[in-house]
Amino acid sequence: LAKTTQPISMDSYEGQEVNITCSHNNIATNDYITWYQQFPSQGPRFIIQGYKTKVTNEVASLFIPADRKSSTLSLPRVSLSDTAVYYCLVGDVDSSYKLIFGSGTRLLVRP
Amino acid sequence: DTAVSQTPKYLVTQMGNDKSIKCEQNLGHDTMYWYKQDSKKFLKIMFSYNNKELIINETVPNRFSPKSPDKAHLNLHINSLELGDSAVYFCASSQLGQGSTGELFFGEGSRLTVL
Repeated sequence: LAKTTQPISMDSYEGQEVNITCSHNNIATNDYITWYQQFPSQGPRFIIQGYKTKVTNEVASLFIPADRKSSTLSLPRVSLSDTAVYYCLVGDVDSSYKLIFGSGTRLLVRP
Repeated sequence: DTAVSQTPKYLVTQMGNDKSIKCEQNLGHDTMYWYKQDSKKFLKIMFSYNNKELIINETVPNRFSPKSPDKAHLNLHINSLELGDSAVYFCASSQLGQGSTGELFFGEGSRLTVL
């Protein structure tokens, strides 16, 4: 299972675009990149998953370069309610449950 | 309507006691899990059950005993509680197999405090 590295914390202001980058140099061929969001006193919630290039859904975009050694979660026009911890996880989908959710990136959105 | 529900939400108890946390999912998933989130916020898998069968036990002390009466329920019983057991325990479920994203659906957590 590939190890991931992401910033411990980030600050932003309402209305800004936030990009959180995750490094995963040892990503394997079968691995997908998945991001989860966790609010205080709640369990993590799946945000987005991708294998290569770009994936977009109603919540976020995920940019993955050709070498797949990193990925960037992009949150457009954040609001106060986007304040949360964001986890980057890498692994094949059938083993995703084995992944350790590390310390993640604590995003604080200020008014 | 809650997809994954666990009870109780809070549990405060003395060292040496035995306690249980219950979990139910109404998503029709085949696989359920227990995770432990410690004070540093690392969230780590403890157990995984697929169709009532244990498939993962990640070096958890045998004081922890999961039980799955059916594929929609996975309960966690803890014997002889220790201070280090204080944490938030999350139940989760997913549907594995071809075409699945492996997305984990988590409950709201059960905060256990051992005094």
